[in-house]
Amino acid sequence: NAGVTQTPKFRVLKTGQSMTLLCAQDMNHEYMYWYRQDPGMGLRLIHYSVGEGTTAKGEVPDGYNVSRLKKQNFLLGLESAAPSQTSVYFCASSARGEAFFGQGTRLTVV
Amino acid sequence: KQEVTQIPAALSVPEGENLVLNCSFTDSAIYNLQWFRQDPGKGLTSLLLIQSSQREQTSGRLNASLDKSSGRSTLYIAASQPGDSATYLCAVISSNTGKLIFGQGTTLQVKP
Repeated sequence: NAGVTQTPKFRVLKTGQSMTLLCAQDMNHEYMYWYRQDPGMGLRLIHYSVGEGTTAKGEVPDGYNVSRLKKQNFLLGLESAAPSQTSVYFCASSARGEAFFGQGTRLTVV
Repeated sequence: KQEVTQIPAALSVPEGENLVLNCSFTDSAIYNLQWFRQDPGKGLTSLLLIQSSQREQTSGRLNASLDKSSGRSTLYIAASQPGDSATYLCAVISSNTGKLIFGQGTTLQVKP
Protein backbone atom coordinates (compact mmCIF):
# COMPACT_ATOMS: atom_id res chain seq x y z
CA ASN A 1 0.00 0.00 0.00
CA ALA A 2 2.23 2.78 -1.34
CA GLY A 3 -0.14 5.78 -1.03
CA VAL A 4 1.55 8.84 -2.56
CA THR A 5 5.09 8.44 -3.87
CA GLN A 6 7.35 11.28 -5.00
CA THR A 7 10.37 10.82 -7.22
CA PRO A 8 13.16 11.85 -6.67
CA LYS A 9 13.63 12.54 -2.96
CA PHE A 10 16.65 14.83 -3.45
CA ARG A 11 18.04 16.70 -6.42
CA VAL A 12 20.64 19.37 -7.11
CA LEU A 13 20.25 21.36 -10.33
CA LYS A 14 22.33 24.02 -11.97
CA THR A 15 20.66 27.28 -12.93
CA GLY A 16 18.98 26.92 -16.30
CA GLN A 17 18.65 23.14 -16.20
CA SER A 18 15.30 21.45 -16.50
CA MET A 19 13.78 18.58 -14.58
CA THR A 20 10.51 16.80 -13.88
CA LEU A 21 9.20 15.70 -10.50
CA LEU A 22 6.85 12.73 -10.47
CA CYS A 23 3.96 12.21 -8.09
CA ALA A 24 2.23 8.83 -8.21
CA GLN A 25 -0.80 7.72 -6.19
CA ASP A 26 -2.44 4.30 -6.06
CA MET A 27 -5.71 5.31 -4.37
CA ASN A 28 -7.66 6.25 -7.51
CA HIS A 29 -7.98 9.84 -6.27
CA GLU A 30 -9.40 12.51 -8.57
CA TYR A 31 -7.61 15.47 -7.01
CA MET A 32 -3.86 15.97 -7.00
CA TYR A 33 -1.72 18.91 -5.85
CA TRP A 34 1.81 20.28 -5.95
CA TYR A 35 3.13 22.57 -3.18
CA ARG A 36 6.38 24.21 -2.28
CA GLN A 37 7.50 24.90 1.26
CA ASP A 38 10.22 27.38 2.08
CA PRO A 39 11.89 27.77 5.49
CA GLY A 40 9.54 29.20 8.07
CA MET A 41 6.65 29.30 5.65
CA GLY A 42 3.56 27.28 5.12
CA LEU A 43 2.66 25.25 2.05
CA ARG A 44 2.00 27.28 -1.08
CA LEU A 45 -0.04 25.72 -3.86
CA ILE A 46 1.76 25.67 -7.23
CA HIS A 47 -0.68 23.79 -9.48
CA TYR A 48 -3.46 21.33 -8.96
CA SER A 49 -5.68 18.94 -10.89
CA VAL A 50 -9.28 17.86 -10.32
CA GLY A 51 -9.16 14.98 -12.77
CA GLU A 52 -7.24 13.23 -15.52
CA GLY A 53 -6.38 15.64 -18.31
CA THR A 54 -7.12 18.77 -16.25
CA THR A 55 -4.76 21.20 -14.54
CA ALA A 56 -5.18 24.59 -12.89
CA LYS A 57 -2.93 27.28 -11.42
CA GLY A 58 -2.48 27.73 -7.72
CA GLU A 59 -0.94 30.61 -5.80
CA VAL A 60 2.63 30.45 -7.16
CA PRO A 61 2.53 28.89 -10.66
CA ASP A 62 5.20 30.99 -12.41
CA GLY A 63 8.21 29.00 -13.59
CA TYR A 64 6.42 25.65 -13.32
CA ASN A 65 4.35 23.49 -15.65
CA VAL A 66 2.30 20.38 -14.90
CA SER A 67 0.63 17.51 -16.69
CA ARG A 68 -1.93 14.88 -15.67
CA LEU A 69 -2.02 12.48 -18.60
CA LYS A 70 -2.82 9.51 -16.37
CA LYS A 71 -5.11 9.65 -13.35
CA GLN A 72 -2.50 8.19 -11.04
CA ASN A 73 0.37 10.52 -12.02
CA PHE A 74 0.88 14.27 -11.66
CA LEU A 75 4.11 15.68 -13.10
CA LEU A 76 5.71 18.98 -12.11
CA GLY A 77 8.20 20.47 -14.56
CA LEU A 78 10.81 23.15 -14.20
CA GLU A 79 11.86 24.29 -17.69
CA SER A 80 14.71 26.57 -16.64
CA ALA A 81 15.54 26.24 -12.96
CA ALA A 82 16.34 29.34 -10.92
CA PRO A 83 17.88 29.63 -7.41
CA SER A 84 14.52 31.00 -6.21
CA GLN A 85 13.04 27.56 -6.89
CA THR A 86 15.20 25.98 -4.21
CA SER A 87 12.62 24.51 -1.90
CA VAL A 88 10.97 21.37 -0.58
CA TYR A 89 8.19 20.18 -2.87
CA PHE A 90 5.23 18.18 -1.63
CA CYS A 91 2.62 16.34 -3.63
CA ALA A 92 -0.81 15.36 -2.33
CA SER A 93 -3.91 13.55 -3.51
CA SER A 94 -7.51 13.45 -2.35
CA ALA A 95 -10.91 12.08 -3.26
CA ARG A 96 -12.54 15.24 -1.79
CA GLY A 97 -12.01 13.72 1.61
CA GLU A 98 -8.78 13.13 3.47
CA ALA A 99 -5.67 14.41 1.73
CA PHE A 100 -2.60 12.18 1.60
CA PHE A 101 0.90 13.52 1.15
CA GLY A 102 4.12 12.27 -0.34
CA GLN A 103 7.36 12.37 1.62
CA GLY A 104 8.66 15.45 -0.19
CA THR A 105 11.41 16.30 -2.67
CA ARG A 106 14.26 18.52 -1.56
CA LEU A 107 15.44 20.53 -4.57
CA THR A 108 18.48 22.78 -4.57
CA VAL A 109 19.25 25.04 -7.53
CA VAL A 110 22.82 26.35 -7.59
CA LYS B 1 -10.81 33.60 -2.83
CA GLN B 2 -10.38 31.16 0.03
CA GLU B 3 -7.96 32.29 2.71
CA VAL B 4 -6.96 30.26 5.75
CA THR B 5 -5.51 31.94 8.84
CA GLN B 6 -4.01 30.35 11.94
CA ILE B 7 -3.61 32.07 15.27
CA PRO B 8 -1.28 32.21 17.10
CA ALA B 9 1.76 31.83 14.85
CA ALA B 10 3.77 30.47 17.77
CA LEU B 11 2.95 29.17 21.21
CA SER B 12 5.08 28.05 24.13
CA VAL B 13 3.51 26.26 27.10
CA PRO B 14 4.70 24.21 30.07
CA GLU B 15 4.14 20.49 30.00
CA GLY B 16 0.71 19.38 31.17
CA GLU B 17 -1.23 22.41 29.98
CA ASN B 18 -4.32 22.14 27.86
CA LEU B 19 -4.18 24.35 24.80
CA VAL B 20 -6.22 25.50 21.82
CA LEU B 21 -5.03 26.27 18.31
CA ASN B 22 -7.24 28.32 16.03
CA CYS B 23 -7.94 28.15 12.31
CA SER B 24 -10.27 30.40 10.35
CA PHE B 25 -11.31 30.34 6.70
CA THR B 26 -13.12 32.91 4.59
CA ASP B 27 -15.31 30.74 2.34
CA SER B 28 -17.65 28.20 3.93
CA ALA B 29 -17.97 26.20 0.68
CA ILE B 30 -15.67 23.39 1.76
CA TYR B 31 -15.70 19.59 1.58
CA ASN B 32 -13.79 19.22 4.82
CA LEU B 33 -11.12 20.61 7.13
CA GLN B 34 -8.00 18.67 8.03
CA TRP B 35 -5.40 19.19 10.75
CA PHE B 36 -1.80 18.14 10.18
CA ARG B 37 1.37 17.99 12.21
CA GLN B 38 4.82 18.69 10.79
CA ASP B 39 8.07 18.07 12.64
CA PRO B 40 11.15 20.08 11.58
CA GLY B 41 12.55 18.85 8.28
CA LYS B 42 9.87 16.21 7.95
CA GLY B 43 6.70 15.62 5.97
CA LEU B 44 3.07 16.09 6.99
CA THR B 45 1.23 13.76 9.33
CA SER B 46 -2.56 13.85 9.22
CA LEU B 47 -4.10 14.24 12.68
CA LEU B 48 -7.83 14.73 12.21
CA LEU B 49 -10.28 15.15 9.35
CA ILE B 50 -13.64 16.87 9.87
CA GLN B 51 -16.20 16.53 7.09
CA SER B 52 -18.24 19.66 6.35
CA SER B 53 -21.35 18.07 7.89
CA GLN B 54 -19.56 17.19 11.14
CA ARG B 55 -19.02 19.34 14.21
CA GLU B 56 -16.02 17.62 15.78
CA GLN B 57 -13.60 14.73 15.71
CA THR B 58 -11.52 13.20 18.48
CA SER B 59 -8.36 11.15 18.50
CA GLY B 60 -6.71 10.43 21.83
CA ARG B 61 -5.74 13.73 23.46
CA LEU B 62 -6.75 15.70 20.37
CA ASN B 63 -10.17 17.16 19.67
CA ALA B 64 -10.98 19.25 16.63
CA SER B 65 -14.17 21.25 16.15
CA LEU B 66 -15.66 22.85 13.07
CA ASP B 67 -18.14 25.70 12.79
CA LYS B 68 -18.57 26.04 9.05
CA SER B 69 -21.03 28.93 9.22
CA SER B 70 -18.57 31.14 11.11
CA GLY B 71 -15.53 29.81 9.24
CA ARG B 72 -13.71 28.55 12.31
CA SER B 73 -12.03 25.42 13.60
CA THR B 74 -10.14 24.73 16.79
CA LEU B 75 -7.68 22.01 17.70
CA TYR B 76 -7.69 21.22 21.40
CA ILE B 77 -4.70 19.38 22.85
CA ALA B 78 -5.17 17.99 26.33
CA ALA B 79 -2.36 17.48 28.83
CA SER B 80 0.37 18.63 26.45
CA GLN B 81 3.70 16.76 26.33
CA PRO B 82 7.16 17.74 25.02
CA GLY B 83 6.58 15.26 22.18
CA ASP B 84 3.71 17.44 20.98
CA SER B 85 6.22 20.13 19.98
CA ALA B 86 5.78 20.65 16.24
CA THR B 87 4.10 22.88 13.69
CA TYR B 88 0.36 22.35 13.35
CA LEU B 89 -1.31 23.14 10.04
CA CYS B 90 -4.95 23.31 9.06
CA ALA B 91 -6.22 22.98 5.50
CA VAL B 92 -9.55 23.09 3.69
CA ILE B 93 -10.66 21.70 0.32
CA SER B 94 -12.89 24.15 -1.53
CA SER B 95 -16.06 22.56 -2.90
CA ASN B 96 -16.12 25.24 -5.63
CA THR B 97 -12.61 24.84 -7.04
CA GLY B 98 -11.14 21.67 -5.51
CA LYS B 99 -8.19 23.65 -4.15
CA LEU B 100 -6.57 22.41 -0.93
CA ILE B 101 -5.50 25.57 0.90
CA PHE B 102 -3.29 25.69 3.99
CA GLY B 103 -2.92 28.13 6.82
CA GLN B 104 0.56 29.34 7.76
CA GLY B 105 0.69 27.06 10.77
CA THR B 106 1.15 27.37 14.54
CA THR B 107 4.54 26.36 15.93
CA LEU B 108 4.07 24.78 19.33
CA GLN B 109 6.77 24.30 21.94
CA VAL B 110 5.96 22.30 25.05
CA LYS B 111 8.57 22.79 27.75
CA PRO B 112 9.37 19.97 30.20
